[in-house]
Amino acid sequence: EIVMTQSPATLSVSPGERVTLSCRASQSVSSNLAWYQQKPGQAPRLLIYDSSTRATGIPARFSGSGSGTEFTLTISSLQFEDFAVYYCQQYQTWPPLYTFGQGTKLEIK
Amino acid sequence: EVVLVESGGGLVQPGRSLRLSCAASGFTFDDYAMHWVRQAPGKGLEWVSGISWKSGSIGYADSVKGRFTISRDNAKNSLYLQMNSLRTEDMALYYCVRQGCSSTSCRRPGGFDYWGQGTLVTVSS
Repeated sequence: EIVMTQSPATLSVSPGERVTLSCRASQSVSSNLAWYQQKPGQAPRLLIYDSSTRATGIPARFSGSGSGTEFTLTISSLQFEDFAVYYCQQYQTWPPLYTFGQGTKLEIK
Repeated sequence: EVVLVESGGGLVQPGRSLRLSCAASGFTFDDYAMHWVRQAPGKGLEWVSGISWKSGSIGYADSVKGRFTISRDNAKNSLYLQMNSLRTEDMALYYCVRQGCSSTSCRRPGGFDYWGQGTLVTVSS
């Protein structure tokens, strides 16, 4: 099983700041990496897939990068609606044996 | 509009069984791989199981392998999860999820682009 490790667990930031979230895979997942945003009481929403491709309707302030085992999600200028929990997920293997990271919570400073 | 609606959750005793269903609409169901993802109260996301568009390829998380069975009926645009020998640690909100295409081709899978609202499974005596 590929283990996904996100850091930090919690990040306190102010609106308008630039923030970078990290995700590390225990073995290479190539570019088969997605990022999701989840707000309280809501289903997760796909932000980024294939490591760097924004999903439909996702603002340009969200960007993803990386390949192999190291990945980042960057939010260029935090808006109030961006305070949420973010998860990375690998989808490298088929038949599927996918895994999520434990999540990073963005909270208002 | 893509819509995924889960049903079948509820309160069940440890060791018993439950069958979840997911009704899909708004897209060509048999063009996509489908998955179940769960989230225990106050916890993170856990991928549970996935199935390819024609059921030829199936995978399970180690935590449910041998107890859960995923299936689909493309004629009914439906996804299922048969859950046997339920444990207290299986208690969670279960999401039905569509896996989208990669950025280069629909022959390669991408991220989970549509999620249902979930159905709650409570395992307690």
